[in-house]
Amino acid sequence: QQQVKQSPQSLIVQKGGISIINCAYENTAFDYFPWYQQFPGKGPALLIAIRPDVSEKKEGRFTISFNKSAKQFSLHIMDSQPGDSATYFCAASMGNTGFQKLVFGTGTRLLVSP
Amino acid sequence: SQTIHQWPATLVQPVGSPLSLECTVEGTSNPNLYWYRQAAGRGLQLLFYSVGIGQISSEVPQNLSASRPQDRQFILSSKKLLLSDSGFYLCAWRPKQSYTIYFGEGSWLTVV
Repeated sequence: QQQVKQSPQSLIVQKGGISIINCAYENTAFDYFPWYQQFPGKGPALLIAIRPDVSEKKEGRFTISFNKSAKQFSLHIMDSQPGDSATYFCAASMGNTGFQKLVFGTGTRLLVSP
Repeated sequence: SQTIHQWPATLVQPVGSPLSLECTVEGTSNPNLYWYRQAAGRGLQLLFYSVGIGQISSEVPQNLSASRPQDRQFILSSKKLLLSDSGFYLCAWRPKQSYTIYFGEGSWLTVV
């Protein structure tokens, strides 16, 4: 119940295309869903995050779509660029006071071809 | 502004040797602190977390231990490394009243 399932494992997109990464969860107590971007040899950096009270959040070319009833959320990267080539992790957690634990998906390696 | 420092960045250690990875957070007080491990090409596994000085919780049984001797210092240790301890270790922190977790740059550990 604590798992977050992420797909696909890897993704190749042409420059200018749309990259879509999907995640699914089981625990309905999760109330925070961030996406992290990780470049090789670096720590993950927060990209965008959403709470379950909204169905979509957009920041620049990055959009999170959230489907509470299906317990799924996805990351859309519009106009994908070679600089977006990285590994993307979805995550989920609950509780913003005291202890909070992030449960991560297994990651998607994105390659944007020029 | 808040920053997180983690060191060493890279180390190669023989099997059976001790380990000490250190992490400090600047510009905040009483943060939650975390140690994650990332095996090559894999996801992030939570190893330890701490909500305060001297308060350590372990997520998985293993050859590692953690300590928090000061408010903004988190240390990952081992008395005797195993080959399976190789990986990318990430320290992270979170302000108490925020959802966001911030990661350090990581430490690459290779046990040979």
